[in-house]
Amino acid sequence: EIVLTQSPDTLSLSPGERATLSCRASQSVGSTNLAWYQQKPGQAPRLLIYGASNRATGIPDRFSGSGSGSDFSLTISRLEPEDFAVYYCQPYGSSRTFGQGTKVEIK
Amino acid sequence: EVQLLESGGGLVQPGGSLRLSCAASGFTFSSYAMSWVRQAPGKGLEWVSAITDSSGDTYYADSVKGRFAISRDNSKNTLYLQMNRLRADDTAVYYCTKGSSGGRPYYFDFWGQGTLVPVSS
Repeated sequence: EIVLTQSPDTLSLSPGERATLSCRASQSVGSTNLAWYQQKPGQAPRLLIYGASNRATGIPDRFSGSGSGSDFSLTISRLEPEDFAVYYCQPYGSSRTFGQGTKVEIK
Repeated sequence: EVQLLESGGGLVQPGGSLRLSCAASGFTFSSYAMSWVRQAPGKGLEWVSAITDSSGDTYYADSVKGRFAISRDNSKNTLYLQMNRLRADDTAVYYCTKGSSGGRPYYFDFWGQGTLVPVSS
């Protein structure tokens, strides 16, 4: 079974700063079969990125994803107040496991 | 507009049973795989179970295999999760999710608001 490690666990940043989140898999997830989800307190998760780098419908272009194989990242170019949330990665080729999440909090 | 509306959650005693439902609308339900994902209080996301589109092949996390059963009624646009022999560690918010295609690989492109299942005596 694929083990996912997201880092860091918590990222403390100020609005306007750049956020870079990492998601590393214990083995290849199969090319670019990786998704990112955002979850705000008290809300259901929502899809941000699929295929490692494709933004879901309605997702602002300050969100970008990259990577392939076993090493992926999510970048938020300039943090807006509504971006402070928990972010999960998930490979969806041969596994349905989620990463443990990275919390992006206001510094 | 895609909508997923879960129901059936509520307090249940250890060893008890519960059936969750998810009413889907806004898309051709029979053409997409569906899944249940849960989240224990203060914890991360855990995939629970999945079912393919019309073929109805089913898949389960090891933690629920043999106790939970996923099913769908394409004529009613409804997804179900029958949960038996519930344990305290099944306590979670259960989310109904729509797959991006009928079978693997697929990501979860829409999520319901979730239904809370506390398991406690």
